[in-house]
Formats: sequence, C-alpha cells, structure tokens
Amino acid sequence: AQKITQTQPGMFVQEKEAVTLDCTYDTSDQSYGLFWYKQPSSGEMIFLIYQGSYDEQNATEGRYSLNFQKARKSANLVISASQLGDSAMYFCAMREKGGGSYIPTFGRGTSLIVHP
Amino acid sequence: SAVISQKPSRDICQRGTSLTIQCQVDSQVTMMFWYRQQPGQSLTLIATANQGSEATYESGFVIDKFPISRPNLTFSTLTVSNMSPEDSSIYLCSVGERSGGNIQYFGAGTRLSVL
Repeated sequence: AQKITQTQPGMFVQEKEAVTLDCTYDTSDQSYGLFWYKQPSSGEMIFLIYQGSYDEQNATEGRYSLNFQKARKSANLVISASQLGDSAMYFCAMREKGGGSYIPTFGRGTSLIVHP
Repeated sequence: SAVISQKPSRDICQRGTSLTIQCQVDSQVTMMFWYRQQPGQSLTLIATANQGSEATYESGFVIDKFPISRPNLTFSTLTVSNMSPEDSSIYLCSVGERSGGNIQYFGAGTRLSVL
C-alpha cells in the first residue's frame, strides 16, 4: 500500500483564490512528520511547511497552511490568495520514526496551475 | 536552513559516458542524500552518503552504477556511470536537519539528458 496518496494529478485555480491540495497517509507509527514541498519547472524542491504528529495546532507559514486531520490521516495543503508564481508541482511527504529512519517518503505530486 | 549548491544544473550527455554531480553544503551535516526523479515521477532515494564510510544504497541502486563519495561533512558527489537514455532524470542532493522535525532541504537539482 502507498504510504502517501495524492489523488489530484492536476489542479487549476484562479489567481487570488484559495486552493486545497489533498494528501492522505498511511502509518502505524504514533510519531511521524508530514511535509509539503513545491517544485517549479526549474526542478528545485522547495520546503514549504511541516506538521508533527503531536502538534495540536495546524501548521501555518505565510500563505500556506496544513489542514491536519489525524483521525482521517489527512494532511491537506491550503494555499490562500494564489499567485501566478504558485504554479508548480506540489509533493506531500511523510517521515516515520519507526525503525530510526529519518528519510521521508514522497507522494506522486499534484500539478497546480494558477490562471490570471 | 542549510544552503546547498549543486552542479552542474543541467547537462546533455552521450550514451556510455559518465557524469559526476557535486553537492556542497554551507554547514557540516551528518547525512546527505541523493535522489532521482524520472520524468513525471516522484522522488526516489538512491542512497545515503555517510562521511567516512560507504554509502548506503536503496534497493535497485548499486555502487557500480552510482558511485558516491563523501570526503568531508560539507561535500558529496554522485556519479552516474555508463549512462543510457533511461538515466535521463533530475538528480537531487539533500540534507536533513534534525531539529524541527528533521526537515530535508534540497539543492537546485541536476537535469540530465542522455542521448
């Protein structure tokens, strides 16, 4: 079974509107971390936001927020007030602490296109 | 966060040749990672580069094809050997910071095309 599932291969949003990118995860660990990365067409992977499994508050970083629903095992990324520069691939990732690994597993990504 | 410089940023290579990718970090880090991202795909971990010891390779990746060096705590190289068109990918170097959830930060990537 996939550890990280991103069901939206592509999303479109109008500039200045909000958009939600879905991510569900599968783990039996109690301690884990969830991440979102942005990859523009240049290829660079840019870290956006992190949520720890024990964090009670949803993480926020500027226009990015992570809607963390632990019981549903979902970690959706919300981008408010979309900008043209937000057009990129977005990857959700999870790091499990079990086994001592610090290496995250990445989802397949969602392509976001922001229309003017 | 660590600043990671990766080069070359892109290259076009002939089949059968080798390419060495360099990754320089502006601070000392214990672990460095090398990923491959094939066209339209997600990231796949190639290996973990440990300073002073052999790299740890993931299933499906071998040292003869992807030799890695880690001479010190700020530098690593990945060589893609005897290239074929199937090696055309983006190769990414990353480092992990143990504080704040062990976030992985990435270099800008090397976009490799093999003809």
